[in-house]
Amino acid sequence: KAGVTQTPRYLIKTRGQQVTLSCSPISGHRSVSWYQQTPGQGLQFLFEYFSETQRNKGNFPGRFSGRQFSNSRSEMNVSTLELGDSALYLCASSLELAGENEQFFGPGTRLTVL
Amino acid sequence: SQQGEEDPQALSIQEGENATMNCSYKTSINNLQWYRQNSGRGLVHLILIRSNEREKHSGRLRVTLDTSKKSSSLLITASRAADTASYFCATVFNQAGTALIFGKGTTLSVSS
Repeated sequence: KAGVTQTPRYLIKTRGQQVTLSCSPISGHRSVSWYQQTPGQGLQFLFEYFSETQRNKGNFPGRFSGRQFSNSRSEMNVSTLELGDSALYLCASSLELAGENEQFFGPGTRLTVL
Repeated sequence: SQQGEEDPQALSIQEGENATMNCSYKTSINNLQWYRQNSGRGLVHLILIRSNEREKHSGRLRVTLDTSKKSSSLLITASRAADTASYFCATVFNQAGTALIFGKGTTLSVSS
Protein backbone atom coordinates (compact mmCIF):
# COMPACT_ATOMS: atom_id res chain seq x y z
CA LYS A 1 0.00 0.00 0.00
CA ALA A 2 1.18 3.50 -0.74
CA GLY A 3 1.82 5.64 2.29
CA VAL A 4 0.44 9.04 3.13
CA THR A 5 1.45 11.57 0.52
CA GLN A 6 1.60 15.31 0.90
CA THR A 7 2.00 17.95 -1.74
CA PRO A 8 3.84 20.12 -2.20
CA ARG A 9 6.86 19.10 -0.13
CA TYR A 10 8.28 22.61 0.03
CA LEU A 11 6.62 25.97 -0.32
CA ILE A 12 7.80 29.55 -0.05
CA LYS A 13 5.24 32.29 0.35
CA THR A 14 5.21 35.91 1.45
CA ARG A 15 3.24 37.50 4.25
CA GLY A 16 -0.38 38.12 3.42
CA GLN A 17 -0.63 35.37 0.82
CA GLN A 18 -2.68 32.25 1.26
CA VAL A 19 -1.66 28.64 0.78
CA THR A 20 -3.36 25.29 0.25
CA LEU A 21 -1.70 22.04 1.27
CA SER A 22 -2.89 18.65 0.14
CA CYS A 23 -2.86 15.24 1.79
CA SER A 24 -3.75 11.84 0.35
CA PRO A 25 -4.29 9.25 3.08
CA ILE A 26 -3.58 5.56 2.89
CA SER A 27 -6.25 3.81 0.86
CA GLY A 28 -9.15 2.81 3.10
CA HIS A 29 -8.29 5.22 5.90
CA ARG A 30 -11.16 7.49 6.83
CA SER A 31 -9.50 9.82 9.33
CA VAL A 32 -7.07 12.57 8.41
CA SER A 33 -5.42 14.80 10.98
CA TRP A 34 -3.21 17.82 10.48
CA TYR A 35 -0.39 19.00 12.73
CA GLN A 36 1.95 21.97 12.75
CA GLN A 37 5.52 21.35 13.91
CA THR A 38 7.88 24.14 14.91
CA PRO A 39 11.09 24.08 16.98
CA GLY A 40 9.51 26.28 19.64
CA GLN A 41 6.02 24.81 20.02
CA GLY A 42 6.64 21.24 18.92
CA LEU A 43 3.84 19.24 17.34
CA GLN A 44 0.52 20.97 17.64
CA PHE A 45 -2.83 19.52 16.61
CA LEU A 46 -4.66 21.54 13.98
CA PHE A 47 -7.75 19.51 13.11
CA GLU A 48 -9.10 16.06 12.39
CA TYR A 49 -11.51 15.05 9.66
CA PHE A 50 -13.46 11.83 9.55
CA SER A 51 -15.83 10.95 6.74
CA GLU A 52 -15.79 14.55 5.48
CA THR A 53 -16.69 16.00 8.89
CA GLN A 54 -14.40 17.99 11.13
CA ARG A 55 -14.24 16.05 14.38
CA ASN A 56 -11.84 18.16 16.38
CA LYS A 57 -10.09 21.48 16.04
CA GLY A 58 -6.98 22.67 17.83
CA ASN A 59 -6.30 26.09 19.23
CA PHE A 60 -5.47 27.89 16.02
CA PRO A 61 -6.96 31.07 14.55
CA GLY A 62 -9.68 30.97 11.93
CA ARG A 63 -7.07 31.64 9.23
CA PHE A 64 -6.41 27.92 9.40
CA SER A 65 -9.11 25.83 7.79
CA GLY A 66 -9.46 22.47 6.17
CA ARG A 67 -11.75 20.06 4.46
CA GLN A 68 -11.99 16.44 3.50
CA PHE A 69 -13.37 15.06 0.29
CA SER A 70 -15.45 11.95 -0.29
CA ASN A 71 -12.33 9.99 -1.29
CA SER A 72 -10.80 10.93 2.12
CA ARG A 73 -8.24 13.25 0.57
CA SER A 74 -7.83 16.39 2.62
CA GLU A 75 -6.69 19.93 2.12
CA MET A 76 -5.77 22.60 4.59
CA ASN A 77 -5.73 26.28 3.83
CA VAL A 78 -3.97 29.09 5.60
CA SER A 79 -5.03 32.60 4.65
CA THR A 80 -3.26 35.89 5.30
CA LEU A 81 0.04 34.20 6.05
CA GLU A 82 2.20 35.45 8.90
CA LEU A 83 5.90 34.90 9.52
CA GLY A 84 5.00 32.67 12.46
CA ASP A 85 3.19 30.26 10.16
CA SER A 86 6.55 29.01 8.90
CA ALA A 87 6.57 25.38 9.96
CA LEU A 88 6.46 21.77 8.92
CA TYR A 89 2.84 20.77 8.33
CA LEU A 90 2.21 17.08 8.86
CA CYS A 91 -0.77 15.08 7.79
CA ALA A 92 -1.64 11.73 9.35
CA SER A 93 -4.24 9.14 8.48
CA SER A 94 -5.77 6.29 10.43
CA LEU A 95 -8.25 3.56 9.67
CA GLU A 96 -10.84 4.88 12.06
CA LEU A 97 -10.91 7.80 14.47
CA ALA A 98 -7.52 9.29 15.19
CA GLY A 99 -6.34 8.73 18.71
CA GLU A 100 -7.99 5.33 18.90
CA ASN A 101 -5.68 3.85 16.32
CA GLU A 102 -2.17 4.01 15.02
CA GLN A 103 -1.64 7.07 12.87
CA PHE A 104 0.47 7.02 9.74
CA PHE A 105 2.23 10.26 8.97
CA GLY A 106 3.19 11.77 5.66
CA PRO A 107 6.59 13.38 5.02
CA GLY A 108 5.18 16.85 5.60
CA THR A 109 5.10 20.15 3.74
CA ARG A 110 7.78 22.62 4.73
CA LEU A 111 6.23 26.09 4.53
CA THR A 112 8.45 29.15 4.67
CA VAL A 113 6.81 32.56 4.95
CA LEU A 114 9.01 35.51 4.03
CA SER B 1 -1.62 22.71 28.68
CA GLN B 2 -2.96 19.26 27.91
CA GLN B 3 0.34 18.08 26.52
CA GLY B 4 2.21 15.15 27.86
CA GLU B 5 5.71 16.08 28.90
CA GLU B 6 8.71 13.88 28.15
CA ASP B 7 11.70 13.60 30.39
CA PRO B 8 14.61 13.94 29.84
CA GLN B 9 14.62 16.44 26.98
CA ALA B 10 17.85 14.93 25.68
CA LEU B 11 19.65 11.65 26.27
CA SER B 12 23.04 10.48 25.01
CA ILE B 13 24.12 6.86 25.37
CA GLN B 14 26.48 4.31 23.84
CA GLU B 15 25.40 1.51 21.55
CA GLY B 16 24.30 -1.52 23.52
CA GLU B 17 23.04 0.49 26.50
CA ASN B 18 19.39 0.80 27.45
CA ALA B 19 17.50 4.08 27.05
CA THR B 20 14.55 5.07 29.20
CA MET B 21 12.26 7.98 28.45
CA ASN B 22 9.37 9.12 30.58
CA CYS B 23 6.13 10.87 29.82
CA SER B 24 3.85 12.57 32.32
CA TYR B 25 0.39 13.91 31.62
CA LYS B 26 -2.19 15.87 33.55
CA THR B 27 -5.69 14.49 33.06
CA SER B 28 -7.29 11.10 32.49
CA ILE B 29 -6.59 9.48 29.13
CA ASN B 30 -8.10 6.95 26.78
CA ASN B 31 -4.75 5.72 25.59
CA LEU B 32 -1.16 6.81 25.18
CA GLN B 33 0.99 6.39 22.09
CA TRP B 34 4.70 6.64 21.45
CA TYR B 35 6.14 7.90 18.17
CA ARG B 36 9.64 8.27 16.79
CA GLN B 37 10.83 10.94 14.39
CA ASN B 38 14.07 11.07 12.48
CA SER B 39 15.09 12.83 9.34
CA GLY B 40 15.11 9.67 7.27
CA ARG B 41 11.73 8.12 8.06
CA GLY B 42 9.62 10.97 9.39
CA LEU B 43 7.19 10.38 12.26
CA VAL B 44 6.52 6.70 12.91
CA HIS B 45 4.15 5.03 15.36
CA LEU B 46 5.84 2.73 17.88
CA ILE B 47 3.31 1.50 20.44
CA LEU B 48 -0.23 2.28 21.61
CA ILE B 49 -1.10 1.39 25.21
CA ARG B 50 -4.67 1.67 26.45
CA SER B 51 -5.65 3.03 29.84
CA ASN B 52 -6.52 -0.46 31.13
CA GLU B 53 -3.12 -1.88 30.16
CA ARG B 54 0.00 -1.66 32.28
CA GLU B 55 2.74 -2.90 29.96
CA LYS B 56 3.32 -3.63 26.28
CA HIS B 57 6.27 -4.95 24.35
CA SER B 58 7.32 -4.62 20.74
CA GLY B 59 10.70 -6.04 19.82
CA ARG B 60 13.31 -4.11 21.82
CA LEU B 61 10.68 -1.63 23.04
CA ARG B 62 8.86 -1.86 26.35
CA VAL B 63 6.19 0.64 27.37
CA THR B 64 4.64 0.90 30.80
CA LEU B 65 1.67 2.96 31.89
CA ASP B 66 0.83 4.00 35.44
CA THR B 67 -2.50 5.78 35.40
CA SER B 68 -2.35 6.46 39.15
CA LYS B 69 0.83 8.47 38.63
CA LYS B 70 -0.28 9.74 35.22
CA SER B 71 2.97 8.61 33.66
CA SER B 72 4.39 6.28 31.05
CA SER B 73 7.87 5.12 30.22
CA LEU B 74 9.48 3.87 27.03
CA LEU B 75 12.46 1.55 27.39
CA ILE B 76 14.66 0.76 24.42
CA THR B 77 16.97 -2.15 25.16
CA ALA B 78 20.35 -2.75 23.53
CA SER B 79 20.27 0.59 21.70
CA ARG B 80 21.67 0.95 18.20
CA ALA B 81 22.91 3.97 16.32
CA ALA B 82 19.77 3.70 14.18
CA ASP B 83 17.68 4.44 17.29
CA THR B 84 18.98 8.01 17.22
CA ALA B 85 15.81 10.08 16.88
CA SER B 86 13.29 12.18 18.76
CA TYR B 87 10.69 10.25 20.72
CA PHE B 88 7.26 11.65 21.47
CA CYS B 89 4.44 10.52 23.66
CA ALA B 90 0.96 11.41 22.48
CA THR B 91 -2.19 11.21 24.51
CA VAL B 92 -5.88 11.19 23.78
CA PHE B 93 -7.73 13.02 26.48
CA ASN B 94 -11.25 11.97 27.31
CA GLN B 95 -12.38 15.56 27.29
CA ALA B 96 -10.79 16.31 23.94
CA GLY B 97 -12.40 13.39 22.17
CA THR B 98 -10.07 11.75 19.75
CA ALA B 99 -7.47 14.47 19.12
CA LEU B 100 -3.90 13.35 19.67
CA ILE B 101 -1.87 15.77 21.78
CA PHE B 102 1.91 15.42 21.49
CA GLY B 103 4.59 16.24 24.02
CA LYS B 104 7.77 18.16 23.15
CA GLY B 105 9.80 14.97 22.83
CA THR B 106 13.03 13.40 24.03
CA THR B 107 16.02 13.59 21.69
CA LEU B 108 18.01 10.37 21.89
CA SER B 109 21.57 10.14 20.54
CA VAL B 110 23.17 6.73 20.36
CA SER B 111 26.86 6.72 19.54
CA SER B 112 28.89 3.77 18.36
